[in-house]
Amino acid sequence: DAKTTQPPSMDCAEGRAANLPCNHSTISGNEYVYWYRQIHSQGPQYIIHGLKNNETNEMASLIITEDRKSSTLILPHATLRDTAVYYCIVRVGNAGGTSYGKLTFGQGTILTVHP
Amino acid sequence: DGGITQSPKYLFRKEGQNVTLSCEQNLNHDAMYWYRQDPGQGLRLIYYSQIVNDFQKGDIAEGYSVSREKKESFPLTVTSAQKNPTAFYLCASNRGLNTEAFFGQGTRLTVV
Repeated sequence: DAKTTQPPSMDCAEGRAANLPCNHSTISGNEYVYWYRQIHSQGPQYIIHGLKNNETNEMASLIITEDRKSSTLILPHATLRDTAVYYCIVRVGNAGGTSYGKLTFGQGTILTVHP
Repeated sequence: DGGITQSPKYLFRKEGQNVTLSCEQNLNHDAMYWYRQDPGQGLRLIYYSQIVNDFQKGDIAEGYSVSREKKESFPLTVTSAQKNPTAFYLCASNRGLNTEAFFGQGTRLTVV
């Protein structure tokens, strides 16, 4: 799986948009970009994923650059409950002929939302 | 409710003892995973299983063993060979190609 690079920490004011960047310059054509977040001492929670088109769901938006070497997770109106570690993962679509690529987590970005 | 359940939430063991962590899912997912997380660190993959009766080593499999006799269950045994077993252990599952993984709430293992 391609390696990802994220800033170790970011701050955001409550109510403002939080834009979390991720570099994945070695991503290959069959790898998807996934975002998860982990609130302290809990299991990670899925947020969103995409291949090359921008994606939006009720939690966030995912913007992937045209060359797919980087992406940005956008939380449009951050709240205090969005304070968490955010992980960007790229995941192969096929692994040895099977359909299940393993998820490899990096260090993530600690997002702190302040009042 | 459908979900993935890890038990117990907290576990204490004496050094030199094997201990087995439970992970059960009723989501009908084929793939299951075990991760280890140390304080301030990301998740590291221990083992994963893509189908019943089959599993592969992850990045840090030494000192651990798993079994996958049923689709719903993927127990992890932390053996006495694991040099630093105290950690937060997370189990996950997913349905298949390009689908999101669901995580349990974790088991915090402390070896004294």
